[in-house]
Amino acid sequence: AQSVAQPEDQVNVAEGNPLTVKCTYSVSGNPYLFWYVQYPNRGLQFLLKYITGDNLVKGSYGFEAEFNKSQTSFHLKKPSALVSDSALYFCAVRDPPYGQNFVFGPGTRLSVLP
Amino acid sequence: DGGITQSPKYLFRKEGQNVTLSCEQNLNHDAMYWYRQDPGQGLRLIYYSQIVNDFQKGDIAEGYSVSREKKESFPLTVTSAQKNPTAFYLCASSIRATRNGGETQYFGPGTRLLVL
Repeated sequence: AQSVAQPEDQVNVAEGNPLTVKCTYSVSGNPYLFWYVQYPNRGLQFLLKYITGDNLVKGSYGFEAEFNKSQTSFHLKKPSALVSDSALYFCAVRDPPYGQNFVFGPGTRLSVLP
Repeated sequence: DGGITQSPKYLFRKEGQNVTLSCEQNLNHDAMYWYRQDPGQGLRLIYYSQIVNDFQKGDIAEGYSVSREKKESFPLTVTSAQKNPTAFYLCASSIRATRNGGETQYFGPGTRLLVL
């Protein structure tokens, strides 16, 4: 079965600094990877996805993610963090690749400090 | 959250009571899902449906039931058999999976269920 891991429960970064939220995956074939963001007491919002093609994927709100097959990683990045980026971030993978279901990581809480 | 509505926003359940959470979508999606979210944990799949009148159990279906009589609607009932129902419940929808695999799930705003 497919799985994703988010090794950090919490990430703190100063406003204006670059941010990285880490995700590693374990899949049996080509991975289909997603990032979502959740603000307090809200549903999840889609940020970006990797299906195939360029390893650098650009998404909403200035976020991007880098797919690295050799390291089985899909880290979320942003060049300059905003206080409003503070939220819970989830990495997810399709299970199986052409299947209907997603497997979500446990989430990483990002705090951007003013 | 656009296109998927969940109601109510907060729901209180008494001991031994069944309660139903509503989920409606106007995205013309075939597939719909219910997830449970507990503090400090990721989302866990309760039930999913790929087409009207068909649904399958997810990882934690015990104590829950669903129906899919209309494409737009996928209500979730939390039965009295669910002994620890306090959680945040999220509904999602997507188009049916293809070999492209790029289909995205879109989420509703969630319902918080509390036990009295």
